[in-house]
Amino acid sequence: DAEITQSPRHKITETGRQVTLACHQTWNHNNMFWYRQDLGHGLRLIHYSYGVQDTNKGEVSDGYSVSRSNTEDLPLTLESAASSQTSVYFCASRGPSTDTQYFGPGTRLTVL
Amino acid sequence: AQSVTQLDSQVPVFEEAPVELRCNYSSSVSVYLFWYVQYPNQGLQLLLKYLSGSTLVKGINGFEAEFNKSQTSFHLRKPSVHISDTAEYFCAVKEVDSSYKLIFGSGTRLLVRP
Repeated sequence: DAEITQSPRHKITETGRQVTLACHQTWNHNNMFWYRQDLGHGLRLIHYSYGVQDTNKGEVSDGYSVSRSNTEDLPLTLESAASSQTSVYFCASRGPSTDTQYFGPGTRLTVL
Repeated sequence: AQSVTQLDSQVPVFEEAPVELRCNYSSSVSVYLFWYVQYPNQGLQLLLKYLSGSTLVKGINGFEAEFNKSQTSFHLRKPSVHISDTAEYFCAVKEVDSSYKLIFGSGTRLLVRP
């Protein structure tokens, strides 16, 4: 079955380190999204991509970057991790003929 | 700009009782509306969505929601809840004919007690 996966599921890192969170989907969806989930804020969009070589900033993009070199993957990089980036991160993808986004299981990131 | 408000951060309810989770939105253009559910330690999954047509939308697990354009609301209901319905519920909105971005509410935690 097609699916969307995220790795690692849990990550602890130190302030200032570079961290990359992986997202991989097997639906061949063009549209992919990264969100962070924080208590009281719901999910907030970090970055999104409409296809290979396309990336766009969301509402909370500072300190994050993404790259899209193929259809299946959209890795999220924290250039210099900060404690304010401690959160749960969700990746999602959307196909061309549906308004439904499909979410991965999430990555819990702790920045000490 | 769009926004979504879920006024209730937590809703406790006894098993087999009815429940309503409230969602209000604001937008200057037409929107699509969604409810997602998040079970503990899992990702979000779609519960139901309103795109057009009948304002009463039925979803999975016996949930339904009603789109009320005049009140800009999309409340989620279930006539009889189960312990297994304990989860976080998110309302979301997307502009019609616009980008694919979803705007989420802050979530409502449904706590079903025996």
